[in-house]
Amino acid sequence: ETGVTQTPRHLVMGMTNKKSLKCEQHLGHNAMYWYKQSAKKPLELMFVYNFKEQTENNSVPSRFSPECPNSSHLFLHLHTLQPEDSALYLCASSLGLAENTGELFFGEGSRLTVL
Amino acid sequence: AQSVAQPEDQVNVAEGNPLTVKCTYSVSGNPYLFWYVQYPNRGLQFLLKYITGDNLVKGSYGFEAEFNKSQTSFHLKKPSALVSDSALYFCAVRDALDTNAGKSTFGDGTTLTVKP
Repeated sequence: ETGVTQTPRHLVMGMTNKKSLKCEQHLGHNAMYWYKQSAKKPLELMFVYNFKEQTENNSVPSRFSPECPNSSHLFLHLHTLQPEDSALYLCASSLGLAENTGELFFGEGSRLTVL
Repeated sequence: AQSVAQPEDQVNVAEGNPLTVKCTYSVSGNPYLFWYVQYPNRGLQFLLKYITGDNLVKGSYGFEAEFNKSQTSFHLKKPSALVSDSALYFCAVRDALDTNAGKSTFGDGTTLTVKP
């Protein structure tokens, strides 16, 4: 079992659909992150949560709506997406924002295709 | 501002030969440096990190990296490459004063191909 689990692994949705990505970490970490990985582009940080409070929104369009009900779970709610939003969405966790020497632990990613 | 450069998009080596994946960085303060590996259709996996101390850092799967402050480099190395090492490798840097792990800046990645 990996430390960070993402579901679904693959998602195809139309531009008018509403869907959600789920992330769960079993590492006892306190910080969780959403990243977007697109082909030919650097890894983009989207959101940061620490102790379930959002600490960073990296100018992400409102069609992406994160939710963090507790330190172990993180969701990314998707609605009225655009084809250019097609990408691999990676969830990550770390010990916490006060533990700054820590590395990130990534999930396997959710491959999103917007038609 | 901080930045990372991975000057090679692609590195090809023969199995059994030593491999090097290059990384240079720029950060205003002291750096924390990381290497991650990504296999096809998978997430990133942590390999090793430099925080402080010995400039030669040893990590998972026989990889190591050497921190060179004067050259602002953190090249990833392995003495003998395996076909299974073929993957996408990312270098990342963060200012030691920044407590947010998400503030790491990632390089564009280097695709390593090890041929039998």
